[in-house]
Amino acid sequence: GAGVSQSPSNKVTEKGKDVELRCDPISGHTALYWYRQSLGQGLEFLIYFQGNSAPDKSGLPSDRFSAERTGGSVSTLTIQRTQQEDSAVYLCASSTPGQNTEAFFGQGTRLTVV
Amino acid sequence: AQSVSQHNHHVILSEAASLELGCNYSYGGTVNLFWYVQYPGQHLQLLLKYFSGDPLVKGIKGFEAEFIKSKFSFNLRKPSVQWSDTAEYFCAVNSGGYQKVTFGTGTKLQVIP
Repeated sequence: GAGVSQSPSNKVTEKGKDVELRCDPISGHTALYWYRQSLGQGLEFLIYFQGNSAPDKSGLPSDRFSAERTGGSVSTLTIQRTQQEDSAVYLCASSTPGQNTEAFFGQGTRLTVV
Repeated sequence: AQSVSQHNHHVILSEAASLELGCNYSYGGTVNLFWYVQYPGQHLQLLLKYFSGDPLVKGIKGFEAEFIKSKFSFNLRKPSVQWSDTAEYFCAVNSGGYQKVTFGTGTKLQVIP
């Protein structure tokens, strides 16, 4: 596609429910990132996928968070047993291989846990 | 581990004032540096980047940034801001041959007409 696509754009869920957030990166981009943007917290790194390498999960805040990337393309971020502190905008970005590249961001999914 | 510090969290300027936003990073080796901008209601987009060469880099909309290796800094500047520059600005770095990008906490810039 023309850009990074995320769905849904908004999600309201009840505390304790599981949610899945989807990211469709730019075609040909082998690197994919998930970040979380909370009020006053800036951009918090969650997880990074690069090709077929093992993902860097060092930013996942708890074992309730997990992510997959199927076929090297679409990625799903899953949050189990959501808590109110999970409310944030979840951003996905993708880039081409190599260090000297920029990341292209999607519009994000605004998650509200009530 | 790489990290990025942005010391100004919220900056308020009048139109035509000069802007300088601070960014410091903590990695001693080769780095790539970025500034991203997020306008209200829009997604993050690249403002400018430094990979190598001239340490003074110019980006879109009249922004520039200077890489000073000895100070581990990559401050963003604009000589005369406009109301349309109201946005949140993020400094970012990757380093050591590793592609993962680390972002600072962001600086909210408010320009008053």
